Amino acid sequence: ETGVTQTPRHLVMGMTNKKSLKCEQHLGHNAMYWYKQSAKKPLELMFVYNFKEQTENNSVPSRFSPECPNSSHLFLHLHTLQPEDSALYLCASSQRTGSNQPQHFGDGTRLSIL
Amino acid sequence: QKEVEQDPGPLSVPEGAIVSLNCTYSNSAFQYFMWYRQYSRKGPELLMYTYSSGNKEDGRFTAQVDKSSKYISLFIRDSQPSDSATYLCAMSAETDSWGKFQFGAGTQVVVTP
Repeated sequence: ETGVTQTPRHLVMGMTNKKSLKCEQHLGHNAMYWYKQSAKKPLELMFVYNFKEQTENNSVPSRFSPECPNSSHLFLHLHTLQPEDSALYLCASSQRTGSNQPQHFGDGTRLSIL
Repeated sequence: QKEVEQDPGPLSVPEGAIVSLNCTYSNSAFQYFMWYRQYSRKGPELLMYTYSSGNKEDGRFTAQVDKSSKYISLFIRDSQPSDSATYLCAMSAETDSWGKFQFGAGTQVVVTP
């Protein structure tokens, strides 16, 4: 496998469920990111990890909980979500964090909250 | 005022025409500029990456940056139906050590055969 792989591709859950999104990158990168993409809106950065350490939490509600066990894997744990959390969740990676490091994206998980 | 403005479109062009896309921004500290292409049900794919002002060409794609006007452009020559997608601009400042990119909302492009 190459690039950035996200699973599942689609997820439907109730507001009281707990689920997790998974991201795996095969690019040898050291930085990983979670973004939220809503229709007609710019990508919103949620979390940044560099060498497994969380370097940024962009004021994300605590119902979203990230986990980065190693530089190749990133998870987003979901709990008690709200209908406005329905969106496309994108994972990205780059060689390292930095403004000059282009980010490479996966195809996302389409999340629907009932 | 949004930090990055991008016309949502849709922009419809006939096959073979030049597609012209642009973004305006307000933060004069932005130094790195990127264009991504996003097909339906896919993630954004990096197309072009430029630093500071000037032009960059890659095949049918040309990216231009005009920092004095805070304006960036992407041109697609000899457009094909396969170029139909949403194009996102992104930019970042030298001081953003952890890679915070500001994205535009995207312009939808439709190339008709």
